[in-house]
Amino acid sequence: QVHLVQSGAEVKKPGASVKLSCKVSGYTLIDLSIHWVRQAPGKGLEWMVGFDSEDGGTIYAQKFQGRVTVTEDTSTDTAYMELRSLTSDDTAVYYCASRVVTATYFDSWGPGTLVTVSS
Amino acid sequence: SYVLTQPPSVSVAPGQTARITCGGNNIGSENVHWYQQKPGQAPVLVVHDDGDRPSGIPERFSGSNSENTATLTISRVEAGDEADYYCQVWDSSSHHFYVFGTGTKVTVL
Repeated sequence: QVHLVQSGAEVKKPGASVKLSCKVSGYTLIDLSIHWVRQAPGKGLEWMVGFDSEDGGTIYAQKFQGRVTVTEDTSTDTAYMELRSLTSDDTAVYYCASRVVTATYFDSWGPGTLVTVSS
Repeated sequence: SYVLTQPPSVSVAPGQTARITCGGNNIGSENVHWYQQKPGQAPVLVVHDDGDRPSGIPERFSGSNSENTATLTISRVEAGDEADYYCQVWDSSSHHFYVFGTGTKVTVL
């Protein structure tokens, strides 16, 4: 059973960056593909970025390409997502979610991290 | 980009059947997954690959997919089924890769 634990809420000013973490337990990070999905207040789910285990690269939703970076620390089974040049439109709950290599769905989700962007 | 359209809301009485649709161009050729999200909580996978249920999900949840519409069916609806439901596909033909539907609020009357 995969368990994902995310870092705490953040408040940032416009133009700043935020780096969120997602610690995996129950599995090792190398056995999973970690993705990031966000949800603005009162809105739907929006996939942002994730690791494509088929070719070993990172895949991005076009609107976030160039503004988001994902990294992984396999020694601590922790994934990170950094989002730069924040605006108020980035205020959202950010979820990490995992999928097994052969799947195209997310079978485990973290509890989410609220990021508030405000001057 | 690939668009998945869901009705904003569905209302159903307890014990009845709720059907939530997810419309997309030739969605029948894709594997469709469904998530349940209760207020203040993370989404939970309830159906994957059109109609398979993860361990722990009641048999009351089922799915189908054909041509331009996928459907999540909740039989014998309970008060605890009140939530937002999202469909999702993996679209390799676009830069949006993982696409979520617009979401449907299910209200149990």
